[in-house]
Order: sequence, then C-alpha cells, then structure tokens
Amino acid sequence: AQTVTQSQPEMSVQEAETVTLSCTYDTSENNYYLFWYKQPPSRQMILVIRQEAYKQQNATENRFSVNFQKAAKSFSLKISDSQLGDTAMYFCAFMTGTASKLTFGTGTRLQVTL
Amino acid sequence: AAGVIQSPRHLIKEKRETATLKCYPIPRHDTVYWYQQGPGQDPQFLISFYEKMQSDKGSIPDRFSAQQFSDYHSELNMSSLELGDSALYFCASSPWGTDYGYTFGSGTRLTVV
Repeated sequence: AQTVTQSQPEMSVQEAETVTLSCTYDTSENNYYLFWYKQPPSRQMILVIRQEAYKQQNATENRFSVNFQKAAKSFSLKISDSQLGDTAMYFCAFMTGTASKLTFGTGTRLQVTL
Repeated sequence: AAGVIQSPRHLIKEKRETATLKCYPIPRHDTVYWYQQGPGQDPQFLISFYEKMQSDKGSIPDRFSAQQFSDYHSELNMSSLELGDSALYFCASSPWGTDYGYTFGSGTRLTVV
C-alpha cells in the first residue's frame, strides 16, 4: 500500500515571500504520478501541479514548482511570490498507473499574511 | 469550460435516513471517482466507475452503493445514515487512462443530525 506523509500541519508566509511545503511518500511501484492539490476555504479541490515519476526534470507551473527526489521519495512544493489567494489547505497526492485512485496526505494549511 | 457538477451542494438528513448524491462528469469523461472528506481530514477514496462498470473500490461502507449510468453520470446512494457519515463528498471525473489527475466537483456537504 502507498502512503503519503505531510509533516507540516500548518505554515505561514508573508506576501511576496517564498514557502516550501514538504511531502514524502512510500511505494514499491516504479511507475507513478505525484500531485499537489489546493483546497481553499471554498472547499473546491484544485490541481496545482503534477509530476511523472519517470521524469527527472522538476515540474513548474508559473509561481509553483516542485523538488522531486525519487530516491528519497520526496516531493516538495515551492510557492514563490506568495499571494493572499494562495491561502488554502494543500494536499500532496499519489497515483499509481493511470486512471487510478489518488492517495492523499493529511494536508498542510498555508496562511499567507500581509 | 464545463466542470464536474454535483448536486445537491448541501444536504441535511436525520439518522437512519437515506441520501442520494449525484455527479455529472465533464463531457467525454468516462471515468468517475467518489471521495469522502471528513471534517479536518484528507479525502478518502470510496469507489470508481469506468464505462458503467465498477473499476476500483476503496473504503466504502456496505450501507453505501453507487452506479454509473449510460450518460456517464453517477449516483452515490447512502442508507441507514449515521452521524459519522457527515462529510464533504467529492466526485471527480477523467478520461480513462489519463495520468493527468482528474477534475473534482465542488462537493456535496452532507450533515447527518
């Protein structure tokens, strides 16, 4: 079974600063995908970024980037130039193969302050 | 762009009652997933369907059942409701075989009193 661990229940960052959210996972699979989802107070689950395990290059989406360390089974999310709208719960998630279920971590609540 | 539509948005039921949640996937998405998110918890996978057949099953109680219809919409039926069933229920959809993750609906908040 796969497990996803987020060791930071809460984090705070000032507007325009950079913050990194941690995620580790455990799996015996070789082909898998990793995701970061954002859940703002509206409760909508929004895909932030995805990473394919077979790609060494770290994924980047505008202000969001990941540091994927496959050997260490680590998948951290860096948010640059933080904005008030980034305030949300962030979930790291794991998927094996394709069209498969997502396994989520317990989430990190990020508060962006003025 | 069309999104995943869930209805109702909010639902209040009494213990031992029955509830039906509906999910309308994005057009041309043939796979539907159901997740349950308790207060302060991460989403937990319940069940998924592809082409009207169950494709995977997670921690779904025996009191719950679900199906996918010919138009690809899905319904989650919950009977003998318990206080612990109070949660946010998400539906998500994707094309079969995608590795891009999937699109979530806005969820149905079920409160059992």
